[in-house]
Amino acid sequence: DTGVSQDPRHKITKRGQNVTFRCDPISEHNRLYWYRQTLGQGPEFLTYFQNEAQLEKSRLLSDRFSAERPKGSFSTLEIQRTEQGDSAMYLCASSSFSGQGVNYGYTFGSGTRLTVV
Amino acid sequence: AQKITQTQPGMFVQEKEAVTLDCTYDTSDPSYGLFWYKQPSSGEMIFLIYQGSYDQQNATEGRYSLNFQKARKSANLVISASQLGDSAMYFCAMREGEGQGFSFIFGKGTRLLVKP
Repeated sequence: DTGVSQDPRHKITKRGQNVTFRCDPISEHNRLYWYRQTLGQGPEFLTYFQNEAQLEKSRLLSDRFSAERPKGSFSTLEIQRTEQGDSAMYLCASSSFSGQGVNYGYTFGSGTRLTVV
Repeated sequence: AQKITQTQPGMFVQEKEAVTLDCTYDTSDPSYGLFWYKQPSSGEMIFLIYQGSYDQQNATEGRYSLNFQKARKSANLVISASQLGDSAMYFCAMREGEGQGFSFIFGKGTRLLVKP
């Protein structure tokens, strides 16, 4: 297993366009998380899934954001009508229900860096 | 509300010396977990060390140790014998939520630069 994969690594889009990011978690991990990291800040939690169920959403996740995990494997994060304030690194993480140490094997991907121009 | 504060935006350390990165936290929950992550320029967050609120001993993992002072609500990371590869952003984080389905609250991070 190569860890948590995110695609694309970089995305430049024009304001008002829609973008979609993909995250492939570690295969045996049933929990998947999305975070957003703006310049000079630590990551901020957006949402998480257990299998295909979206169990929690942060207030940061506006109506223009939607996340899915249709078969409990990979997940997509879509941003509609992008704004310049959406420019950030979007990090995905996954963890194991069965528990691997104190962080349950919580593993982050390398992120998708979005630039809205 | 839970909060993590890292007051050092940037730090320099000479190679092979030790460095301490500061972290203070605020929570009203008696049970909590504190983590340190390293973020190199490639972007991924790498887990370094964990301290539980009920742990009596300070956590250690190789060259990393956590100086946990519960009364002061501080959880400073100590890196001994710094290496050039330690140059990165370092984030202190607190676990929010119980059990396996938890999220993190992160501080703003400290950029560490190790000089040869």
